[in-house]
Amino acid sequence: AQSVTQLGSHVSVSEGALVLLRCNYSSSVPPYLFWYVQYPNQGLQLLLKYTTGATLVKGINGFEAEFKKSETSFHLTKPSAHMSDAAEYFCAADGNNGNKLVFGAGTILRVKS
Amino acid sequence: DVKVTQSSRYLVKRTGEKVFLECVQDMDHENMFWYRQDPGLGLRLIYFSYDVKMKEKGDIPEGYSVSREKKERFSLILESASTNQTSMYLCASSFLSGSNEQYFGPGTRLTVT
Repeated sequence: AQSVTQLGSHVSVSEGALVLLRCNYSSSVPPYLFWYVQYPNQGLQLLLKYTTGATLVKGINGFEAEFKKSETSFHLTKPSAHMSDAAEYFCAADGNNGNKLVFGAGTILRVKS
Repeated sequence: DVKVTQSSRYLVKRTGEKVFLECVQDMDHENMFWYRQDPGLGLRLIYFSYDVKMKEKGDIPEGYSVSREKKERFSLILESASTNQTSMYLCASSFLSGSNEQYFGPGTRLTVT
């Protein structure tokens, strides 16, 4: 069964620094991949998704992610962190079992001024 | 814009009460999902439905039931609420075919005392 691992439950960066949130999936068949963001006391909002085609995917708020099949990874990056990026981020993968998604445990991003 | 709404943002119930959480989506999505979210555990699927009156158990269905009488509405029922069901509950919906992108509601924070 598909599983998704997010390295680091908490990541702290300074304002203006690079943001790197790591995500690895387990299946040998490349799944559809997603990054969602959750601000406090809100639902999840889609940041970006990879289905097929270009492996570098651009999303909202300046985020992007690169699908690397050889590493079974889909890491999320942003060149310069902003205070408003402080939130929890979830990586998700198509579960190869119908329409369900499998979510990672989440990474809380803290941005220091 | 896709809209998924949940009947309450915050709910406080007593142990043993029957609790109804309602979710409505306006995009004619076939799939609807109920998750619970707890710190460090990510999102865990309780139940999902791919059609009216159809339902399938997710990873943690014990203590919950669901109802889908209309395509746009998916209800989560706690037959006899317990304190270990205190959590954030998230509803989501998606199309039956396509990328499996899920759209989330704002969540209901349920406290059982």
